[in-house]
Amino acid sequence: GAGVSQSPSNKVTEKGKDVELRCDPISGHTALYWYRQSLGQGLEFLIYFQGNSAPDKSGLPSDRFSAERTGGSVSTLTIQRTQQEDSAVYLCASSLQGHTEAFFGQGTRLTVV
Amino acid sequence: TQLLEQSPQFLSIQEGENLTVYCNSSSVFSSLQWYRQEPGEGPVLLVTVVTGGEVKKLKRLTFQFGDARKDSSLHITAAQTGDTGLYLCAEAKRFGAGTRLTVKP
Repeated sequence: GAGVSQSPSNKVTEKGKDVELRCDPISGHTALYWYRQSLGQGLEFLIYFQGNSAPDKSGLPSDRFSAERTGGSVSTLTIQRTQQEDSAVYLCASSLQGHTEAFFGQGTRLTVV
Repeated sequence: TQLLEQSPQFLSIQEGENLTVYCNSSSVFSSLQWYRQEPGEGPVLLVTVVTGGEVKKLKRLTFQFGDARKDSSLHITAAQTGDTGLYLCAEAKRFGAGTRLTVKP
């Protein structure tokens, strides 16, 4: 596709359930980022993948959060045992190289009830 | 960890007015990016500044990078309602909290 694609666009889940969020980056982009944005807030960095290097997981808020990037392309962010405070928009971005212009998807709005 | 501080947090002005928003850091930026985010969308890059003292213009938007590369500003001339949005500064993978601008008709 032409841009970064995220799915689902909206997800409502019950507290305690696991969720998986998907990101399809722009083809050829080696860097991929996940961010979380709470209502009316800025972007909270979660995790960064760059090529075959070990991911920078320094932003993950707890061990309930994990992400993987298969084959250097598609990425999945998994949240286990969701809590109400996990409710937010989860944004994915990719860039041609690390820390150059980042192109964002439209996000997945997660609501934990 | 470098902190990016943006001010003001909120700004509401009338169409036609000028405004300036700021981004400051506790340490030197290697480069700085400004993004704008509209409701329901992801942020979109406006500009990247790299050199201390650099000034870049994008139509009615003027971006300045401080000589010491620890601060930056975004000035909008004759604001329009279409300028409404969240303005974010970023360095590498870290973003500031943003300035939420509302331009009223």
